[in-house]
Amino acid sequence: NAGVMQNPRHLVRRRGQEARLRCSPMKGHSHVYWYRQLPEEGLKFMVYLQKENIIDESGMPKERFSAEFPKEGPSILRIQQVVRGDSAAYFCASSRGQLNTEAFFGQGTRLTVV
Amino acid sequence: AQRVTQPEKLLSVFKGAPVELKCNYSYSGSPELFWYVQYSRQRLQLLLRHISRESIKGFTADLNKGETSFHLKKPFAQEEDSAMYYCALLDGSGNTGKLIFGQGTTLQVKP
Repeated sequence: NAGVMQNPRHLVRRRGQEARLRCSPMKGHSHVYWYRQLPEEGLKFMVYLQKENIIDESGMPKERFSAEFPKEGPSILRIQQVVRGDSAAYFCASSRGQLNTEAFFGQGTRLTVV
Repeated sequence: AQRVTQPEKLLSVFKGAPVELKCNYSYSGSPELFWYVQYSRQRLQLLLRHISRESIKGFTADLNKGETSFHLKKPFAQEEDSAMYYCALLDGSGNTGKLIFGQGTTLQVKP
């Protein structure tokens, strides 16, 4: 089991471009969480998805950000028209269930907007 | 409001010295708390959770509801303990399993 895989590890985008971050959960895991870590801050929850469903997106900015977890393939976090303030590390975690199950983290994608 | 506070950004100790990484939380009800560790260039991984009451790599953490604290302790620090440590609280609203993280403390163990 390769663990939670995120790609790319590093992503550079110019202001106004789109950023797509991918997360492949661990085998057998159907719950995916996205967190964002701004410089000098802790991880902040963004969105929680199960296969084909967004369960909780209370941490997602209202505009430009979207997430999906299709039946087949990885979960995608999409940021449209990126701005400098989107520069951060984005972490994905997966688990078998919601509660009382350990969440395993990926290595993160570091997004830099220039 | 649910919140986790780690007051120290950096904790520097010598090898063999005791270590205490502080974590305070704000939560109404029975909290479920965790410590995560991130070694250099590695992914975030679970170190311990209070409900299991384990000791991992010599680390322990006791939940103190009176002081709303969950400090991480180790009696004798090793150089390989140098890492970033995050305290996290399971968000109790909505039963979604999402975590609320503190800002993290970098532990530096000097030889």
